[in-house]
Amino acid sequence: QVHLVESGGGVVQPGRSLRLSCAASGFTFNTYAMHWVRQAPGKGLEWVAIIWYDGSNTYYADSVKGRFTISRDNSKNTLYLQMNGLRVDDTAVYYCARGLGQHDSWGRGTLVTV
Amino acid sequence: EIVMTQSPATLSVSPGERATLSCRVSQIIYNNLAWYQQKPGQAPRLLIYGASTRATNIPARFSGSGSGTEFTLTISSLQSEDFAVYYCQQYNNWPRTFGQGTKVEIK
Repeated sequence: QVHLVESGGGVVQPGRSLRLSCAASGFTFNTYAMHWVRQAPGKGLEWVAIIWYDGSNTYYADSVKGRFTISRDNSKNTLYLQMNGLRVDDTAVYYCARGLGQHDSWGRGTLVTV
Repeated sequence: EIVMTQSPATLSVSPGERATLSCRVSQIIYNNLAWYQQKPGQAPRLLIYGASTRATNIPARFSGSGSGTEFTLTISSLQSEDFAVYYCQQYNNWPRTFGQGTKVEIK
């Protein structure tokens, strides 16, 4: 079955960088667009970024544009989120999710504390 | 950016009763709307997509309706496992946006 596992979260000081990974299995990774969605403690869901199935296109939320970069390595079935210039309000659980439109599969998330 | 407004913020319902959740959208999104359920400490789970299509393995007591700018999620007879937070999301425009959530709690 579909399995998404995020990693790379942790505690980081403001202004520093962190790279998150999402390992995918159980499906043909290189045929699906992938997203990052985050959730601040006690708050709702916030969409962060998307990357097309082949990496040809990306979109970002205004709150992270210019600071975060989404990428993927289809040979490793892995999605990434490079986060630079981290701010206190980037503190959240970061989820990877599958699908161009609706997100039919989600990982369990990784916590980033700034 | 499309704004998603969910109401009510909290819905108190007794087990076995019907729950009706609303999602109002600031622009026309046709039927490009999904509903998710989230329980504490868990990832969201897709319930409904295309405004009214149940996702895989979602019980028939969950139904979605609406199009354009007004959408509804109905849970016909609440079970104990349905008490959770529910989010709507539009996927018609960039950036994707979520509603702020409706918490369904036990009355």
